[in-house]
Amino acid sequence: AQSVAQPEDQVNVAEGNPLTVKCTYSVSGNPYLFWYVQYPNRGLQFLLKYITGDNLVKGSYGFEAEFNKSQTSFHLKKPSALVSDSALYFCAVRDIRAGTALIFGKGTTLSVSS
Amino acid sequence: SAVISQKPSRDICQRGTSLTIQCQVDSQVTMMFWYRQQPGQSLTLIATANQGSEATYESGFVIDKFPISRPNLTFSTLTVSNMSPEDSSIYLCSVESSGLAEFTDTQYFGPGTRLTVL
Repeated sequence: AQSVAQPEDQVNVAEGNPLTVKCTYSVSGNPYLFWYVQYPNRGLQFLLKYITGDNLVKGSYGFEAEFNKSQTSFHLKKPSALVSDSALYFCAVRDIRAGTALIFGKGTTLSVSS
Repeated sequence: SAVISQKPSRDICQRGTSLTIQCQVDSQVTMMFWYRQQPGQSLTLIATANQGSEATYESGFVIDKFPISRPNLTFSTLTVSNMSPEDSSIYLCSVESSGLAEFTDTQYFGPGTRLTVL
């Protein structure tokens, strides 16, 4: 069965420092991997995705993520955090052999202090 | 880019009643989905809304409790029936389309409907 793990409930960083939000996955086939962000009282916003090709994927708002097949990871990164990046981040995976259902991790709250 | 809207944005309902949530997209999309996000939890897929046929429900969700309609390629409704406090959640619709490049292989979400059942 496919699954997604976000091992950290919360990540705290200071503004200007690099940030990493971790995600590992388990699927039987080739995964489609996604990151979404949810601001308070808002829906989910798509940040970036990995389908195939270059392992380093760049997305919205300066975020990027690196697909590592051997470690089955897809960590979200940003070189310099902003206070406005504070939000709830979800990693999601889709097993292309299983169909279109997205499986979400439990989410990681990012808190950026000024 | 396409705009996805949901109505209502929030509601407070009495147990035993039903609420219908609407999801509208300003362009035609291939697939529409409904998710539930319980308080402090992640998202769980309720069903895939199929245009012109019955929705496809995930394990643990049934049509009698969550009837879904999808009369065309831009609109869907989810009804939460005979509500109990355990149904208090955020309900989100999402869309995906093979026809539009920006939607291919990617689900985009509406703003959500925050439901509180007393």
